[in-house]
Amino acid sequence: SQKIEQNSEALNIQEGKTATLTCNYTNYSPAYLQWYRQDPGRGPVFLLLIRENEKEKRKERLKVTFDTTLKQSLFHITASQPADSATYLCALDDMDSNYQLIWGAGTKLIIKP
Amino acid sequence: GAGVSQSPRYKVAKRGQDVALRCDPISGHVSLFWYQQALGQGPEFLTYFQNEAQLDKSGLPSDRFFAERPEGSVSTLKIQRTQQEDSAVYLCASSQVPANYGYTFGSGTRLTVV
Repeated sequence: SQKIEQNSEALNIQEGKTATLTCNYTNYSPAYLQWYRQDPGRGPVFLLLIRENEKEKRKERLKVTFDTTLKQSLFHITASQPADSATYLCALDDMDSNYQLIWGAGTKLIIKP
Repeated sequence: GAGVSQSPRYKVAKRGQDVALRCDPISGHVSLFWYQQALGQGPEFLTYFQNEAQLDKSGLPSDRFFAERPEGSVSTLKIQRTQQEDSAVYLCASSQVPANYGYTFGSGTRLTVV
């Protein structure tokens, strides 16, 4: 079955530095991968989608890479700010479905001023 | 509406009680999903609607769980005879097309069964 791994330990980053979060997956070659942000008590908020034929995608201070050989996606936040502190979730399309997503457990990011 | 609206935000139910959770998706969104999220975990798929048709209910954990979307807009997730293991956050998401361009989630309903 598909498996997604995100670093379960919180990531502490100094304000202004680049934060890099990792999403690893096994047993599947997804057509696309999505990243979401989730704040406490709120639902996930969609950030970026990257397709299997795309190496990199950017949106403002965010950058996502997708390495289908390593089966890994990296999510970068440049010039990080305390307001970027949240849990970041990655999700892949389900190999048996054209609408289901399989989710990682998320990584908590803490940006310290 | 401007976003996905879920109600109630919090629900405390006594074990054995029936509950109904409501989701009001973004107007015009064809696809609607229900997810269950345990603390510290990612969302787990429960069920999927395309308009009023429930195309997939494979994630519903038992026959105590029932979802409907009779007119293709508002959806209700009903849990009968609640058990303590049903305690979780129930998230609703909608999208224009399934899973290709990201989902818009509501804030969820936190259900606590005591």
